[in-house]
Amino acid sequence: QSALTQPASVSGSLGQSITISCTGTSSDVGGYSYVSWYQHHPGKAPKLMIYEVTNRPSGVSNRFSGSKSANTASLTISGLQAEDEGDYYCSSYRRSNSWVFGGGTKLTVV
Amino acid sequence: EVQLVESGGGLVQPGGSLRVSCAASGLTFNNTWMHWVRQAPGKGLVWVSYIRSDGSATYADSVKGRFTISRDNAKRTLYLQMNSLRSDDTGVYYCASDAAYSLYYWGQGTVVTVSS
Repeated sequence: QSALTQPASVSGSLGQSITISCTGTSSDVGGYSYVSWYQHHPGKAPKLMIYEVTNRPSGVSNRFSGSKSANTASLTISGLQAEDEGDYYCSSYRRSNSWVFGGGTKLTVV
Repeated sequence: EVQLVESGGGLVQPGGSLRVSCAASGLTFNNTWMHWVRQAPGKGLVWVSYIRSDGSATYADSVKGRFTISRDNAKRTLYLQMNSLRSDDTGVYYCASDAAYSLYYWGQGTVVTVSS
């Protein structure tokens, strides 16, 4: 059960926009509209930021947006703020009632 | 407010067993699918298992045959029974509730350490 592929790290300046990619296969990302994104600060509970590729839960800033093309999903954060710094994980439903996460991306705001 | 509170983590020897629990409040537990996810030290999140409202469940290959997920709807509690534990099972174990095939709410996690 291979993990989805994410860049290990990305960085951006305050106020800029960044995009994190998440590449899977036709058995997961490309086959379903069930891609989600999570923000995780060490020692805290992960937080859902995007579900069903593009939807934001109540309370999540509209600076966060998601998209998908073929087997690759993307998370874009616009107007970077210091509190956006942390680890980000994508996840996808995979056939046979299983889920898979990406390896995680460390976002640094400079 | 939804709250998920894990408990039961600890130190266990290789080959041993441990059961971790997740107490849920603020959601309609008996209608909610639930997941377990773990994170090894310095590593990323890894999906472990999920259980539907009717009790049917699936597992990651790495734990299949060793771990069993279950739920007690009357007690609003999710369980993960872990047998034949190995050192690579060490990590923080999170429970999460499912909505729209995403892991919507998460607990703070419980630490499991497998070591002699």
